[in-house]
Amino acid sequence: EAGVAQSPRYKIIEKRQSVAFWCNPISGHATLYWYQQILGQGPKLLIQFQNNGVVDDSQLPKDRFSAERLKGVDSTLKIQPAKLEDSAVYLCASGTSGQETQYFGPGTRLLVL
Amino acid sequence: QKEVEQDPGPLSVPEGAIVSLNCTYSNSAFQYFMWYRQYSRKGPELLMYTYSSGNKEDGRFTAQVDKSSKYISLFIRDSQPSDSATYLCAMSLPGNQFYFGTGTSLTVIP
Repeated sequence: EAGVAQSPRYKIIEKRQSVAFWCNPISGHATLYWYQQILGQGPKLLIQFQNNGVVDDSQLPKDRFSAERLKGVDSTLKIQPAKLEDSAVYLCASGTSGQETQYFGPGTRLLVL
Repeated sequence: QKEVEQDPGPLSVPEGAIVSLNCTYSNSAFQYFMWYRQYSRKGPELLMYTYSSGNKEDGRFTAQVDKSSKYISLFIRDSQPSDSATYLCAMSLPGNQFYFGTGTSLTVIP
């Protein structure tokens, strides 16, 4: 079974630029999560999708972050404009409804200069 | 107060030692309890998850949950250098809402 795929793996941008991350979840997983993990901290949930609907985006900075999951499969997370404090690893995870576990991708490491 | 508290360490032990990792939580509504292992520059990998109070064993790993004390532990027996990683505890509410600890960095010295 293929795991969660993410791209790019690394990205360096300057502040005020925009950036987009892509995630392809495990086949058949209806739930998709985006997390932000700052160095030395645990993952912080940004947004949770159930199929292509948003379940929880309470911690998503909506003035600069946006996410979509078209057709209930792949998802993209966008930051526009980026700030220095957005430097972090962005993790995508997926899971199935009723299964209280989730599986993570390798993450995208973002550095904002 | 954070939902989940975890001592960040770092923790350094000799090979073969028994390692104890712990988390406390404040929300009694948490139903599922998980431990993830995260190697440097990798995504978290699910190690164990449990629902009820008590112990769950998987090879060298034992997960323990005490709901009355709101306390969970992960024990690693006969620790190996390959166990060197950051260990994250996580808990979930109904509806698959997950909350993570900050992680404990573990180094097993050969």
